[in-house]
Amino acid sequence: GAGVSQSPSNKVTEKGKDVELRCDPISGHTALYWYRQSLGQGLEFLIYFQGNSAPDKSGLPSDRFSAERTGGSVSTLTIQRTQQEDSAVYLCASSLVGLPSNEQFFGPGTRLTVL
Amino acid sequence: RKEVEQDPGPFNVPEGATVAFNCTYSNSASQSFFWYRQDCRKEPKLLMSVYSSGNEDGRFTAQLNRASQYISLLIRDSKLSDSATYLCVVNRWGNQFYFGTGTSLTVIP
Repeated sequence: GAGVSQSPSNKVTEKGKDVELRCDPISGHTALYWYRQSLGQGLEFLIYFQGNSAPDKSGLPSDRFSAERTGGSVSTLTIQRTQQEDSAVYLCASSLVGLPSNEQFFGPGTRLTVL
Repeated sequence: RKEVEQDPGPFNVPEGATVAFNCTYSNSASQSFFWYRQDCRKEPKLLMSVYSSGNEDGRFTAQLNRASQYISLLIRDSKLSDSATYLCVVNRWGNQFYFGTGTSLTVIP
């Protein structure tokens, strides 16, 4: 079946512009996660959704970052007034139930470059 | 102190060799442990979960030492296709997962 998909695969933007990153999880997966991976760094947790609600937003690095999920499916990560330090690969993952023991399936990521 | 720390390597080993990676975690309340594999410019994929009793999957063996707060991954009879970055992942509470920066492995013909 179809895996997690993300769009766009690459995004180049100018400093100060807003960007929207999209994630389509595996059908039926209730849990959805956003991470970012900077060059040479590990994955940094951003936010977790269970259904449409986000019980854990603690990883969002600033108030320029926000995310929403609608219909228990598609999620959008929005970065306002982008800065150069926002450049990274943004990865989305989904899992079936949201229990810690459940495998997370990752999408291919969106590579964001802020000039 | 980082939640999860790994030796970044790189580990360069010949085909057929046995190689072991360790990972330490800082919070004793951590509950679930995993090894993920990430190929160059690809997304991470689950390699195996790590259980308290240790577990094996073919050439791969994972161990958890709660007293010393580390997990290990042993790869026997290394193949060229094992070349990748191996990520140690720890879940402490809720659904927040902490990833190590990864250990790079290159298997040489």
